[in-house]
Amino acid sequence: AQSVAQPEDQVNVAEGNPLTVKCTYSVSGNPYLFWYVQYPNRGLQFLLKYITGDNLVKGSYGFEAEFNKSQTSFHLKKPSALVSDSALYFCAVRDIGTGANNLFFGTGTRLTVIP
Amino acid sequence: DGGITQSPKYLFRKEGQNVTLSCEQNLNHDAMYWYRQDPGQGLRLIYYSQIVNDFQKGDIAEGYSVSREKKESFPLTVTSAQKNPTAFYLCASSITSGTGISGYTFGSGTRLTVV
Repeated sequence: AQSVAQPEDQVNVAEGNPLTVKCTYSVSGNPYLFWYVQYPNRGLQFLLKYITGDNLVKGSYGFEAEFNKSQTSFHLKKPSALVSDSALYFCAVRDIGTGANNLFFGTGTRLTVIP
Repeated sequence: DGGITQSPKYLFRKEGQNVTLSCEQNLNHDAMYWYRQDPGQGLRLIYYSQIVNDFQKGDIAEGYSVSREKKESFPLTVTSAQKNPTAFYLCASSITSGTGISGYTFGSGTRLTVV
């Protein structure tokens, strides 16, 4: 079975500082991993994905994520946080158990960037 | 512009009443999904459909029903059997293929409140 864990419910960071939002995964085969962002009362927006290839994946709005197979992690990072980055972030992994294209989502991490 | 549209944005349901949430996409995506979002619980899958006239139960299908008569439309009915329907409901769509993997495109959500 596929699963993904986001160990931090809340992350606070000062504006201009680097940010990291953590995600670990568990899959039986090769992982397909995703990050999404959600602003208040809105749907989720795609940030980036890892399917194969380079371990460092670059995405929208200056975000990037590093795939680490030995640590089964896919942490989201940004070198310099903006106040506008404050939102709810979801990590997701493909659920191959259903044979469909379903994604299994973590519980989310709320990022607050302090001016 | 291509996208996925959910309506209404806000919906109020009386006790014992059935209500239907609309989800329409013009992305020519094969698969569509309904998720329920509650604070601190992330996204939970209600129903999904990979093809017209076919759909599958997700993790929390009890008290909900769906139909997929057209590729573009995947309405969700919250029945009176759903005892705690107050939540934020998200519809999503994606391409499906035998070897491909893609992320989801989400609608902007419907907030349902029992009054």
